[in-house]
Amino acid sequence: ETGVTQTPRHLVMGMTNKKSLKCEQHLGHNAMYWYKQSAKKPLELMFVYSLEERVENNSVPSRFSPECPNSSHLFLHLHTLQPEDSALYLCASSQEAPSYNEQFFGPGTRLTVL
Amino acid sequence: AQKVTQAQTEISVVEKEDVTLDCVYETRDTTYYLFWYKQPPSGELVFLIRRNSFDEQNEISGRYSWNFQKSTSSFNFTITASQVVDSAVYFCALSEARRLRFGAGTRLTVKP
Repeated sequence: ETGVTQTPRHLVMGMTNKKSLKCEQHLGHNAMYWYKQSAKKPLELMFVYSLEERVENNSVPSRFSPECPNSSHLFLHLHTLQPEDSALYLCASSQEAPSYNEQFFGPGTRLTVL
Repeated sequence: AQKVTQAQTEISVVEKEDVTLDCVYETRDTTYYLFWYKQPPSGELVFLIRRNSFDEQNEISGRYSWNFQKSTSSFNFTITASQVVDSAVYFCALSEARRLRFGAGTRLTVKP
């Protein structure tokens, strides 16, 4: 595997389900990010992790819970989601957290909440 | 506040035409970085270019060129002799502390 991978690529879940999105980067980077991309809004940054420490939480509802066990892996745990949470969730990584470093993106997980 | 505006929501051209995608930004920072990303139908954003605020030289990479003008706060992207494979959504972004602030994107469709 190379670059940034995300699993699953597609996910359909009910509002009462609990699921997790997984992201893995094979680039030796120290920072990882979760973004939400919906039809109605530009790319929204959700969380930033630098050296496994969360350094930014962009006012995301608590039904989204990130986890970064090491610098190569990032999870987004989902529970009791709403239909408006349906979107493409993109993971990215960069060498360091300062924003002048280019970010490398995964292919995303297309989430549908019924 | 930081802001990135991509006024063109959708553009459609015929193959071999030249096309320019506009990006206008607002920032109070004296040092900042601008980016362009491409999002093909497969979904992942692909990094195209990064430019810092002190470097106003235009950049050319094959059929792609970028025009950065601080006087007008613009960082426009031109594709010369467009091809069907250029069809994608293109995002302009501005650095902001630990984050990138993205524009809304421009969907480019290149027809054969």
